[in-house]
Amino acid sequence: AQKVTQAQTEISVVEKEDVTLDCVYETRDTTYYLFWYKQPPSGELVFLIRRNSFDEQNEISGRYSWNFQKSTSSFNFTITASQVVDSAVYFCVTGTASKLTFGTGTRLQVTL
Amino acid sequence: EAQVTQNPRYLITVTGKKLTVTCSQNMNHEYMSWYRQDPGLGLRQIYYSMNVEVTDKGDVPEGYKVSRKEKRNFPLILESPSPNQTSLYFCATRVGGGPNEQFFGPGTRLTVL
Repeated sequence: AQKVTQAQTEISVVEKEDVTLDCVYETRDTTYYLFWYKQPPSGELVFLIRRNSFDEQNEISGRYSWNFQKSTSSFNFTITASQVVDSAVYFCVTGTASKLTFGTGTRLQVTL
Repeated sequence: EAQVTQNPRYLITVTGKKLTVTCSQNMNHEYMSWYRQDPGLGLRQIYYSMNVEVTDKGDVPEGYKVSRKEKRNFPLILESPSPNQTSLYFCATRVGGGPNEQFFGPGTRLTVL
């Protein structure tokens, strides 16, 4: 069975601060996939990134970056120079062919 | 425009009154799935379908039924709703057989009194 732990329930930062959302996963599969989804206050789920277990390269997309480390089973997400529009719940997710397993989410509040 | 639609978006009902939440996608995706979201628990999978006439249980299937008679539709049926099924429900769809990203519908907020 797969499991995702997001230990940070809620984080509050002031705009322009950098913030890192932690994610630790458990899986017995040798091939697996990891995702991050964003759920803004409007409620929809927005896909941010997918990573497979063979690719440990870090990824940067604008102000977003992801650090995947198999040795520590972590897939952390950093927002640089946070903005109010980044306020949302962020889910770290593992995936198989049949389903996604979600963490419990981290609520990020960015204030002025 | 690629879309996953759910109806209704909001529903208040009473215990025991059968209801159906519809999900439709226009992307010709084989895979569809239902999740429920509860505070502090993230999203949990209820049922999924790898293709027409192929469905299987997820992590929390009790009290739910699904059917997949055609590719675009995947309705979620609550035969006898109970208050513990009060939740936010999401339908999702995905292209291909592998664990690609899933596209989610807008959600259906269900309250069972």
